[in-house]
Amino acid sequence: SYALTQPPLVSVAPGKTARITCGGNNIGSKSVHWYQQKPGQAPVLVIYYGSDRPSGIPERFSGSNSGNTATLTISRVEAGDEADYYCQVWDNRSEHWVFGGGTKLTVL
Amino acid sequence: EVQLVESGGGLVKPGGSLRLSCAASGFTFSSYSMNWVRQAPGKGLEWVSSISSSGSYIYYADSVKGRFTISRDNAKNSLYLQMNSLRAEDTAVYHCARGGGDIPFDIWGQGTMLTVSS
Repeated sequence: SYALTQPPLVSVAPGKTARITCGGNNIGSKSVHWYQQKPGQAPVLVIYYGSDRPSGIPERFSGSNSGNTATLTISRVEAGDEADYYCQVWDNRSEHWVFGGGTKLTVL
Repeated sequence: EVQLVESGGGLVKPGGSLRLSCAASGFTFSSYSMNWVRQAPGKGLEWVSSISSSGSYIYYADSVKGRFTISRDNAKNSLYLQMNSLRAEDTAVYHCARGGGDIPFDIWGQGTMLTVSS
């Protein structure tokens, strides 16, 4: 079955840039979606189709997807960005949605 | 306001059954695919099941296939998850989410907690 690999933890200082990767076989050929989840809250869609932002999501959030890696980039990181981030794709072969294991972003 | 509200969670013994519900409001429910996603305590998100807008297409994660049944009632703007033969590893918060067919999950409910324990 298709698998997505994320680093468990990414740490960044305020004002710097955080990059969270999502690895998968030829993921560049798939539509990747990213979710932010803060403790005790439901997930929130922050990037869809690899690089599009829903309304209300700051421009500091951006995404890219190529080859075997998709990346969520958060510029000028703020304390409020501290959360778990998950990537997601639809696997046509298995007809399953697949989530990455999640990355905890800590702001130093 | 676009909203999804889950209900029906609780404490169930192993081998037992439970039905979760998700009430949708603020959008045309019958136009959207819907999903169940769960999160075990301290763990990541796990997709459980999806159903197309008409109910014609249904998909299940391998971990629940044959035990769980997803359904919807478009007249009642409601999504359901019938869970049978429950196991301890089914313990999780269950979220319903709007989206599917390669469309992202753009609206999520707060979730309902299921605990499977003797």
